[in-house]
Amino acid sequence: DAMVIQNPRYQVTQFGKPVTLSCSQTLNHNVMYWYQQKSSQAPKLLFHYYDKDFNNEADTPDNFQSRRPNTSFCFLDIRSPGLGDAAMYLCATSRQGPGINEQFFGPGTRLTVL
Amino acid sequence: GESVGLHLPTLSVQEGDNSIINCAYSNSASDYFIWYKQESGKGPQFIIDIRSNMDKRQGQRVTVLLNKTVKHLSLQIAATQPGDSAVYFCAENLTGNQFYFGTGTSLTVIP
Repeated sequence: DAMVIQNPRYQVTQFGKPVTLSCSQTLNHNVMYWYQQKSSQAPKLLFHYYDKDFNNEADTPDNFQSRRPNTSFCFLDIRSPGLGDAAMYLCATSRQGPGINEQFFGPGTRLTVL
Repeated sequence: GESVGLHLPTLSVQEGDNSIINCAYSNSASDYFIWYKQESGKGPQFIIDIRSNMDKRQGQRVTVLLNKTVKHLSLQIAATQPGDSAVYFCAENLTGNQFYFGTGTSLTVIP
């Protein structure tokens, strides 16, 4: 089945130690998103790629970076994780063409910062 | 991002009753809306969407209503079942490819 895959599902890192979260998709969608979701809160958009074009949200901290080496993969890099970065990180994809279409979400990676 | 808010953070309904979950959005330029269901520990799951040129859309047991005059969305779930217990989010597409989520409503179905 076509899907959005996130690895790992659970990630533990230390304060200040760089960490990378991975997302892959088999949907061949041209847009990929990263959201941060803290407990009992709504997903918050960090940034997205439209093809190779990177679009950062204005309030996304510089500590968060992203890479999209090809259509299928997108990475979230947290350069120096702080305790406040502990959250669920959700990857999503959509196909943008004429009109706007739904997003498909992966299962998320839960990040713990020690 | 733009503000998309929900009127009720929690909702409890009896099994078999209908549920109505509300959402207010702030930007009249938003032209596409999605309702998501999120179960604990999982990613949001698409339920139904609606474009701004419509005021009602029906799916299986779910109906979304859009009132652009007052910038309000609602999700109606008919004959609510225990499996419907989850957090429900509305999301608006404001411009380009960005989607912004509302606060969320936690729905509990009482057997």
